[in-house]
Amino acid sequence: QSVLTQPPSVSGAPGQRVTISCTGSSSNLGAGFDVHWYQRLPGTAPKLLIYVNSNRPSGVPDRFSGSKSGTSASLAITGLQAEDEADYYCQSYDNSLSGHVFGTGTKVAVL
Amino acid sequence: QVQLQESGPGLVKPSETLSLTCTVSGDSISNYYWSWIRQPPGKGLEWIGYIYYSGSTNYNPSLKSRLTISIDTSKKQFSLKLSSMTDADTAIYYCARGTVTVGNFDYWGQGTLVTVSS
Repeated sequence: QSVLTQPPSVSGAPGQRVTISCTGSSSNLGAGFDVHWYQRLPGTAPKLLIYVNSNRPSGVPDRFSGSKSGTSASLAITGLQAEDEADYYCQSYDNSLSGHVFGTGTKVAVL
Repeated sequence: QVQLQESGPGLVKPSETLSLTCTVSGDSISNYYWSWIRQPPGKGLEWIGYIYYSGSTNYNPSLKSRLTISIDTSKKQFSLKLSSMTDADTAIYYCARGTVTVGNFDYWGQGTLVTVSS
């Protein structure tokens, strides 16, 4: 029931920059609802990585950054590190569903 | 430090009702909404529903007919009941704290795997 679309996977060499897109619609991102990003390391619970489009919680490295424009959002990881191998999910609120929605998820691989 | 801990059975028979409880520690249960989120094997995250500390609820429309979320503020616990379980409900179930003003989930439990099988 994901209404936010993400690429299934992205990859990059250590030190490179990768971006993950999150595409929504007029009932969620396009309606002005904020986007949030989560990192799910293997075998662990999701961790809040970016909130309200571009803000980092305390303790999240500034290698992670987020942005939102219209019906799309993106997460960028600069200076990719091996420890960044994880699944990443965007999340927002949807008017039509009257509830929270998650993206389809993106697996980041460090080559 | 806020901590959430899920508890409940790891195995449920088809057609039965799943009951899970999440215990909150490290902060007040007030002024937040308390959510359940799940992840089926090999699939993405799915928001199940939430309950505000006052008791008001909001459920995923796809689960609404089978779902009840309740809260016991005195015990700092909230619970999920999902009836008529099927194979499709096999998943890791997470409880999480939602921030009212921001709309994100800032603290999560470690998750509990629930398998539906006879």
